[in-house]
Amino acid sequence: DAGVTQSPTHLIKTRGQHVTLRCSPISGHKSVSWYQQVLGQGPQFIFQYYEKEERGRGNFPDRFSARQFPNYSSELNVNALLLGDSALYLCASSDGTVSPEAFFGQGTRLTVV
Amino acid sequence: QKEVEQNSGPLSVPEGAIASLNCTYSDRVSQSFFWYRQYSGKSPELIMSIYSNGDKEDGRFTAQLNKASQYVSLLIRDSQPSDSATYLCAVTKEDSWGKFQFGAGTQVVVTP
Repeated sequence: DAGVTQSPTHLIKTRGQHVTLRCSPISGHKSVSWYQQVLGQGPQFIFQYYEKEERGRGNFPDRFSARQFPNYSSELNVNALLLGDSALYLCASSDGTVSPEAFFGQGTRLTVV
Repeated sequence: QKEVEQNSGPLSVPEGAIASLNCTYSDRVSQSFFWYRQYSGKSPELIMSIYSNGDKEDGRFTAQLNKASQYVSLLIRDSQPSDSATYLCAVTKEDSWGKFQFGAGTQVVVTP
């Protein structure tokens, strides 16, 4: 049974560019959350989606956006990349109603140069 | 004041000893509490969840929750070198499942 899958695993982008990160949740899970983790800190909440609806948004600028598709996979988009966006981007999968437990994918390491 | 606070470490523990990690949180309406283990360069892995006051044991791990003191802890018994990692404390509210507040993590180093 597949866990949470994220793609790509590593990415190098130039300042000002746009990036799209992808996540497929655990089969049967309807909720996807996105987190940003910079070195030495805990993950910071960016977005949560459940049944294709945004359920929560963290304190991130409008350059960050996300969506969830009918198959519950999700995309995180970041426009006008800044050096400070360099981080590990994590996707967490949860069922959304029965259990609050969440499981993370392997992450996407984004480097902005 | 940070919403979730942990000792930054590193916490050095001899092999076979007990590692004790602490976490405090500021929001009294927090309902669910989690410990994640994160190896260097990897993603967090869920190792324990606890929802009610008291102790919860799973193998060598014991989580302890005291909502009155807004305190949650993790004990690792018989520590092994493979336990060397950063341990993240996470909390969430009942109406905000999927939205975790994380601490900065405590690095544990188990020395042979």
